[in-house]
Amino acid sequence: DAGVIQSPRHEVTEMGQEVTLRCKPISGHNSLFWYRQTMMRGLELLIYFNNNVPIDDSGMPEDRFSAKMPNASFSTLKIQPSEPRDSAVYFCASSARQGDYEQYFGPGTRLTVT
Amino acid sequence: SQKIEQNSEALNIQEGKTATLTCNYTNYSPAYLQWYRQDPGRGPVFLLLIRENEKEKRKERLKVTFDTTLKQSLFHITASQPADSATYLCALAYSSASKIIFGSGTRLSIRP
Repeated sequence: DAGVIQSPRHEVTEMGQEVTLRCKPISGHNSLFWYRQTMMRGLELLIYFNNNVPIDDSGMPEDRFSAKMPNASFSTLKIQPSEPRDSAVYFCASSARQGDYEQYFGPGTRLTVT
Repeated sequence: SQKIEQNSEALNIQEGKTATLTCNYTNYSPAYLQWYRQDPGRGPVFLLLIRENEKEKRKERLKVTFDTTLKQSLFHITASQPADSATYLCALAYSSASKIIFGSGTRLSIRP
């Protein structure tokens, strides 16, 4: 299995632009998670899906952030408009089921907003 | 709100010694704790999971303990090697339906 796939690996954009991050979970996994990691705040859960349905989006910082999971093999995290404080590494992870199952993380997308 | 504290930001030990990392939590006990390893520029990698009714779990040179009285989990790496150098994250959740919360991590360095 190829593992969790994220694209792009690096994104540099100007403030105010729309940014879309993409994730393909491991085939057969039913839960998908979006995280943000910074030096100051560590690894923060933004939102997670179970069977393509958003379960908890309380970690999404603002209305500028939105996430979708149109099918079991694809999810997007969108930031519109982007701001410099959104600069971080964004990870997608998937697990076989919600609950006490290990999460498999993707390689991350390093986002820089100038 | 729940807080997770990984007591040391960084830990440096000699190769061959046992490394012990600490994860403390506040409030009530989680349903389970997980430990992950993260190398620079990569995503976290799952290592071990321990449930609230378990006191200890082992995997090769790794051992995790869970003390609900002390509200603490300890992560041990025996016979440490320079290749064990990485950041180690603990994470917990209160039920199978609740979200998982990560600690800030401990950066472990094993010197030859």
